[in-house]
Amino acid sequence: GQNIDQPTEMTATEGAIVQINCTYQTSGFNGLFWYQQHAGEAPTFLSYNVLDGLEEKGRFSSFLSRSKGYSYLLLKELQMKDSASYLCASLDSNYQLIWGAGTKLIIKP
Amino acid sequence: GAVVSQHPSWVICKSGTSVKIECRSLDFQATTMFWYRQFPKQSLMLMATSNEGSKATYEQGVEKDKFLINHASLTLSTLTVTSAHPEDSSFYICSARSLAGGDTGELFFGEGSRLTVL
Repeated sequence: GQNIDQPTEMTATEGAIVQINCTYQTSGFNGLFWYQQHAGEAPTFLSYNVLDGLEEKGRFSSFLSRSKGYSYLLLKELQMKDSASYLCASLDSNYQLIWGAGTKLIIKP
Repeated sequence: GAVVSQHPSWVICKSGTSVKIECRSLDFQATTMFWYRQFPKQSLMLMATSNEGSKATYEQGVEKDKFLINHASLTLSTLTVTSAHPEDSSFYICSARSLAGGDTGELFFGEGSRLTVL
């Protein structure tokens, strides 16, 4: 079966660093996405990894290990506005996105 | 990034009526559009995949006669919720895949439409 696992909720402090992990098992693999979703809004694209390694984009970085079926999203210099749900999604062999349930990130002052 | 516009953002309707939601790709052509539904505190659930000029492919458990999808052009797909009932109240989101994306699969999302059926 297809499965995406990520923690349900995480808490971090403003200015700190947090890593959100995601493991996936899908039928075929065409890449791993991270999306950010604020309550009541549509998800917004953060990153896409298809090759192993770390992709850095400003305060956000995303890592992929295809052999381990593992990815993480790293958020640095956390700001209060980063409080949101972070969705991990794998693109399967049919180019369908298989979504995780999302990780709710709570930022405290 | 590419822009996807979804309309209306909010809609309230009486039980038994039909509601149409539009999804437009404003600055790119999208051969494929996806329709999602999200109930409170739950993840996005894919309802159907819409390909321009052909019938939509519905996910298991989604009634195709109730949720009519039309993708008549490369920039417009519509979702019509027919004979809506209170249990259809949800957040409906569309997304589109850009042809110019080099087939990375990157999806661009609309703003979402919140449907409330009284």
